[in-house]
Amino acid sequence: DTGVSQNPRHKITKRGQNVTFRCDPISEHNRLYWYRQTLGQGPEFLTYFQNEAQLEKSRLLSDRFSAERPKGSFSTLEIQRTEQGDSAMYLCASSLAPPGAQHFGDGTRLSIL
Amino acid sequence: AQSVTQLDSHVSVSEGTPVLLRCNYSSSYSPSLFWYVQHPNKGLQLLLKYTSAATLVKGINGFEAEFKKSETSFHLTKPSAHMSDAAEYFCVVSALRGTGGFKTIFGAGTRLFVKA
Repeated sequence: DTGVSQNPRHKITKRGQNVTFRCDPISEHNRLYWYRQTLGQGPEFLTYFQNEAQLEKSRLLSDRFSAERPKGSFSTLEIQRTEQGDSAMYLCASSLAPPGAQHFGDGTRLSIL
Repeated sequence: AQSVTQLDSHVSVSEGTPVLLRCNYSSSYSPSLFWYVQHPNKGLQLLLKYTSAATLVKGINGFEAEFKKSETSFHLTKPSAHMSDAAEYFCVVSALRGTGGFKTIFGAGTRLFVKA
């Protein structure tokens, strides 16, 4: 069990730029989740995949956000035309089918200048 | 519908004294309940989970939690706090939804301070 891996750990970018984050889940886990966490708050659900299928998207996930999991393994989260309000920690988690516990990566901290 | 409420935003204890972090939940279906810990600039680490087996659940680092259905509570305890326990703790509920599938909700978190 190598754990959930997220890259990069930190991303600093100018407003209006596009950014992409990567998540490598635990290999035998078929579910993969994305969350956003702002300072002093708990994680907020963004979306999740079962294998390669994106089964649910939160209303928080505006049209500027897109997530993929093309082969049911790693996933990417892209934010287009970043805004100041996108500054947050983006967390990825993976699990077996519910009620399996979710295992989290260390997150990608996004800072928008 | 389901929800989770962490009753204290901050808890402060002295090293060596007991820890109690309170969590109440509501769920229309039998829930699975979890406690996670988050240290600064790190992801969330699973402390323990309840999934309809024994109501007293033991986790890592000496933590345990008791599922009380009648009180809809899942409080986290530790007999003796250590400095390294200072962190943010999240109570999480996951349960079936009426429309199918599972929904996972995080509490707002409790910041634990440990004084020397």
